[in-house]
Amino acid sequence: ETGVTQSPTHLIKTRGQQVTLRCSSQSGHNTVSWYQQALGQGPQFIFQYYREEENGRGNFPPRFSGLQFPNYSSELNVNALELDDSALYLCASSKVGGNTEAFFGQGTRLTVV
Amino acid sequence: GNSVTQMEGPVTLSEEAFLTINCTYTATGYPSLFWYVQYPGEGLQLLLKATKADDKGSNKGFEATYRKETTSFHLEKGSVQVSDSAVYFCALSVDSGTYKYIFGTGTRLKVLA
Repeated sequence: ETGVTQSPTHLIKTRGQQVTLRCSSQSGHNTVSWYQQALGQGPQFIFQYYREEENGRGNFPPRFSGLQFPNYSSELNVNALELDDSALYLCASSKVGGNTEAFFGQGTRLTVV
Repeated sequence: GNSVTQMEGPVTLSEEAFLTINCTYTATGYPSLFWYVQYPGEGLQLLLKATKADDKGSNKGFEATYRKETTSFHLEKGSVQVSDSAVYFCALSVDSGTYKYIFGTGTRLKVLA
């Protein structure tokens, strides 16, 4: 059973650019959620995807968007990057109807300069 | 609204000392409660969980009991090891069917040999 994998592990972008982060769900999972973890803080829920549709969203602006693919992998897209977007972005997968916990990847460290 | 409050760190202990990390919550409905651990440079790992009042979650010597009357879910371990050094996050989930977790700010634990 493979775990949740994210790519890339690190990247640096310039303010105003766009970025795409990728996540492969754990085998057998059908739901993916994304979190932003600023330095020294707890993760903040961005949104969740199930059956390729967004079915829950936190307090993040529309420039944060996502996709879920038929194989349950997912992308997080952030447009018009701001300095405050610098953070660790975590992907978590889970299975609707399964256990209640989500399994997290190791994250992508995004630095906006 | 829903929220989680954790004791601030860092918590510094000697090996074999007793550990308590306090966590209290505010939630509508009947939340599930979790403790996650984050080792340096890694994502989050589920440590233990409890889904209803009076449940006790346990794993690797760590325990936490879901106390509805005091809205608490304190993490305890009888004898810590240097390898337990990490950041510990308390979290709750109130939305069944989604995996929107609300995390505390985390408590850093340092165990000295």
